[in-house]
Amino acid sequence: KAGVTQTPRYLIKTRGQQVTLSCSPISGHRSVSWYQQTPGQGLQFLFEYFSETQRNKGNFPGRFSGRQFSNSRSEMNVSTLELGDSALYLCASSLAAGRTGELFFGEGSRLTVL
Amino acid sequence: GNSVTQMEGPVTLSEEAFLTINCTYTATGYPSLFWYVQYPGEGLQLLLKATKADDKGSNKGFEATYRKETTSFHLEKGSVQVSDSAVYFCALSEVQGAQKLVFGQGTRLTINP
Repeated sequence: KAGVTQTPRYLIKTRGQQVTLSCSPISGHRSVSWYQQTPGQGLQFLFEYFSETQRNKGNFPGRFSGRQFSNSRSEMNVSTLELGDSALYLCASSLAAGRTGELFFGEGSRLTVL
Repeated sequence: GNSVTQMEGPVTLSEEAFLTINCTYTATGYPSLFWYVQYPGEGLQLLLKATKADDKGSNKGFEATYRKETTSFHLEKGSVQVSDSAVYFCALSEVQGAQKLVFGQGTRLTINP
């Protein structure tokens, strides 16, 4: 069974640009959540999607957005990039419903903002 | 708000030593508690979980007991191996059925042969 796939794995952007990251969950998993990992702030929850609906949102500015498609694949977008957005962005999928917190993480997309 | 505090790393031990990584939490209600592990070059993996007070989660020789009276979920292993070298994260789930986790800062563990 294929794991959670994130693309691209690495990318470099400049301030003011926008970026879109993609996540393909494990087959059969309908819940997708996103986390930002930085050395200073650690792992922070961004948002969670289930059946194309955002269920939870973390404490991030509106520049951070996401969506989920009917096949459970998800994308997140960051607009007007700032230097502080440099981070490893992790996607996780789960079966949801009764499997609280049992997440399967991808290897992440490492974003560098110059 | 809810939070998780882990012992600061890095932690370096010799093979076959006893391991404890401390984790305490602050939460309203009764969260579920988790330990995740990140091996070098790999994604985060769920190591073990506990969903209510006095539950003990265990996996791969690791154990942790949900202690409501001390708001703790310390990770222990009786005899560590070099292959246990990784970063360990303690986490809590704020809402049942949701996948929003609050993570600790992580503890880097290095085991020397």
